[in-house]
Amino acid sequence: SQQGEEDPQALSIQEGENATMNCSYKTSINNLQWYRQNSGRGLVHLILIRSNEREKHSGRLRVTLDTSKKSSSLLITASRAADTASYFCATDYYSGGGADGLTFGKGTHLIIQP
Amino acid sequence: DSGVTQTPKHLITATGQRVTLRCSPRSGDLSVYWYQQSLDQGLQFLIQYYNGEERAKGNILERFSAQQFPDLHSELNLSSLELGDSALYFCASSPRPLGNTQYFGPGTRLTVL
Repeated sequence: SQQGEEDPQALSIQEGENATMNCSYKTSINNLQWYRQNSGRGLVHLILIRSNEREKHSGRLRVTLDTSKKSSSLLITASRAADTASYFCATDYYSGGGADGLTFGKGTHLIIQP
Repeated sequence: DSGVTQTPKHLITATGQRVTLRCSPRSGDLSVYWYQQSLDQGLQFLIQYYNGEERAKGNILERFSAQQFPDLHSELNLSSLELGDSALYFCASSPRPLGNTQYFGPGTRLTVL
């Protein structure tokens, strides 16, 4: 099955710095999404990028997608303490006439030091 | 607040028991998804319903079942519980079954003792 793998597993930076997380996946996808999860809480959708898109912005977030390398990156600029969370990439893939749920990676745990 | 509600927030039960988790999707969303999150397995897709019909199945055990009712709320039934079933169970919803942002509920934390 498809699997998104985030890298690094954990990242600690100073407030105000930029944070970059990467995601790799195994097979063709239709969409790739990034989600944030604060400790033990529900996931919050950040951004969706379709397979025919290469870059997308939303506020301080910038996502790139390279389908030839089967990889994506999430950049958070000017990080804030409130950005401390786990970040997951999720891919979806349509098989035959049906749809699969999202396939998540294991996440990058981001810590913003004040 | 995503608009997806899940009850209960916490559930503690014993091995061998059966529990039911409930999810109400966002208003207007027809598709409901269930996910399990555990430390060793990460986030795993279990099952999807769309407008009352099962749409896709993931890594759902035979001891688990789900349904979506005419009012679009969904229930996940877990039976013959084992210690390894302890996890966070999330419900998510989306307007359509394919290629959409999914909105996640706050989750139900299940502890099996």
